[in-house]
Amino acid sequence: GDSVTQMEGPVTLSEEAFLTINCTYTATGYPSLFWYVQYPGEGLQLLLKATKADDKGSNKGFEATYRKETTSFHLEKGSVQVSDSAVYFCALSVRSGGSNYKLTFGKGTLLTVNP
Amino acid sequence: DSGVTQTPKHLITATGQRVTLRCSPRSGDLSVYWYQQSLDQGLQFLIQYYNGEERAKGNILERFSAQQFPDLHSELNLSSLELGDSALYFCASSVAPDIYEQYFGPGTRLTVT
Repeated sequence: GDSVTQMEGPVTLSEEAFLTINCTYTATGYPSLFWYVQYPGEGLQLLLKATKADDKGSNKGFEATYRKETTSFHLEKGSVQVSDSAVYFCALSVRSGGSNYKLTFGKGTLLTVNP
Repeated sequence: DSGVTQTPKHLITATGQRVTLRCSPRSGDLSVYWYQQSLDQGLQFLIQYYNGEERAKGNILERFSAQQFPDLHSELNLSSLELGDSALYFCASSVAPDIYEQYFGPGTRLTVT
């Protein structure tokens, strides 16, 4: 079945440090890939997405490139801020039957950024 | 703010009881999804509705059921509650079932004691 594996946290960085959160996937068919972010006490928010190989999703300084050859979608940011502290989820979406799309999530990575 | 609302925010109940969680999708969205988030299982898809009809089922227990009403709000019913049902329950919505972008509500935290 479809699955997403992301690096286990927690990840603790100092402000302005470089961030990488690794994500790899297994999917039948051709998935779309996503990063969601969950700030403390809130629901998940879509951070960025990529729908085909070599696409780069970007938002708020975060980037991730859809790498079909390595089945990866690593999240990066050049300079993190305290406000980036949150849980980050990698996810994939594939057609699950008819016209439905099913989201499969990784377990999440807690990022804490210290001033 | 995603536009998806969920009530209540917190719920504490005892084993064996039954609870109902409510979700209102974003204005214009016809499809509603329910997810369970727990420490050991992560974020799991439970069930999807589109315009009042069930469209897909995930890892939903038989003790759980859901429905979507004509005004498009949805309710998730959890019965014969067990300690292991303690989790965050999220609702998400999308314009249609073939649209992969989903917008999540803030969640309902259920504690079973």
